[in-house]
Amino acid sequence: NAGVTQTPKFRVLKTGQSMTLLCAQDMNHEYMYWYRQDPGMGLRLIHYSVGEGTTAKGEVPDGYNVSRLKKQNFLLGLESAAPSQTSVYFCASSYSGEQYFGPGTRLTVT
Amino acid sequence: EDQVTQSPEALRLQEGESSSLNCSYTVSGLRGLFWYRQDPGKGPEFLFTLYSAGEEKEKERLKATLTKKESFLHITAPKPEDSATYLCAVQAIGANSKLTFGKGITLSVRP
Repeated sequence: NAGVTQTPKFRVLKTGQSMTLLCAQDMNHEYMYWYRQDPGMGLRLIHYSVGEGTTAKGEVPDGYNVSRLKKQNFLLGLESAAPSQTSVYFCASSYSGEQYFGPGTRLTVT
Repeated sequence: EDQVTQSPEALRLQEGESSSLNCSYTVSGLRGLFWYRQDPGKGPEFLFTLYSAGEEKEKERLKATLTKKESFLHITAPKPEDSATYLCAVQAIGANSKLTFGKGITLSVRP
């Protein structure tokens, strides 16, 4: 089992560009999450999904959109990137309790 | 609003010097408390889940304990490879499996 995988690992964007981060899990988990991690701020929930076809806002959703068209995939989109979105992004999945995390995507917006 | 506070922010130990990391929490109704380990440049790795006050879990040199207001991660005779950031998170009853994380404790163990 690969667990949770994320694509890409690194990305540099210019202000105003768009991109999509892909998360995939092979554990048949219902729940999936997107977090961002910034120094001194800890992990903050952006959006989450409780099942295929569902999405919900987390703590810091502004500037991001998500889609869960297939149970195993959870996509995070940035429509118009801003320097404030420079961060490390983690995807996670769970059955009901503990969450399992991917390796992260380091995004820099210049 | 659920809150998790971890202390200290950073801890430096000599190899073999035992210590404890603290996680204080406030939550409307606790479903579970989780400990994770995160190495630099990697995603958090799940360590333990604790569900009720008085519960303890152990793994190698780590032991996690839980009270109604806080959890401790005890590290016995640490080794340099235990150096990492340790994250604590709580899950409230009815939270759709969402976790609220603390900011983490960075542990450095010197040989």
